[in-house]
Amino acid sequence: QITLKESGPTLVKPTQTLTLTCSFSGFSLTTSGVGVAWIRQPPGKALEWLALIYWDDDKRYSPSLKSRLSITMDTTRNQVVLTVTNLDPVDTGTYFCAHRNMGDAFDIWGPGTVVTVSS
Amino acid sequence: DIQMTQSPSSLSASVGDTVTITCRASQIVSSYLHWYQQKPGKAPKLLVYAASTLEAGVPARFSGSGSGTYFTLTISSLQPEDFATYYCQQSYNSPSFGQGTKVEIK
Repeated sequence: QITLKESGPTLVKPTQTLTLTCSFSGFSLTTSGVGVAWIRQPPGKALEWLALIYWDDDKRYSPSLKSRLSITMDTTRNQVVLTVTNLDPVDTGTYFCAHRNMGDAFDIWGPGTVVTVSS
Repeated sequence: DIQMTQSPSSLSASVGDTVTITCRASQIVSSYLHWYQQKPGKAPKLLVYAASTLEAGVPARFSGSGSGTYFTLTISSLQPEDFATYYCQQSYNSPSFGQGTKVEIK
């Protein structure tokens, strides 16, 4: 059974850097074809894809946020870490991590973690 | 970037109705199109992937169709638990989501 869970700070100040951790079980990021993505959702708004890391350490980023994002993986701890630099209040929202299936969709999601950017 | 446009943005329907949600891509995405259901305060749930393949465990009243730039999600015989927001998402290149369609009770 695949599960994922996000963790990180709930309140961060503008201009600071946000570090979020996705801890997962039930699969390995060393298995060919596997990927883990980060997606966020501002309050009352639509989903926004942020980043995706593949089993071979290939990384993809949202073109509009690429300069502020970094995604890494720790295969020994079964974790994927997302950092977002230079935070702004518009970065407030729920951040989800999700498992990418072989059909290239996000089939299993974590419950999400709420992040508020405010001074 | 590929823009995904859903219509309508919201709709009201009754239990037992058949509803169809459309999703248009700003460029060809082949069949790299997926549908999700999201309820308030919850993570999205995958319903359909690769345009028309039903995810395991999803009721057969959900169906997806389309290819290229035009796609539809149909819910036959709407059930009380189907009232939610639905999103399409392309994975042809950098993933992107539609703005969502909220299905409400009439």
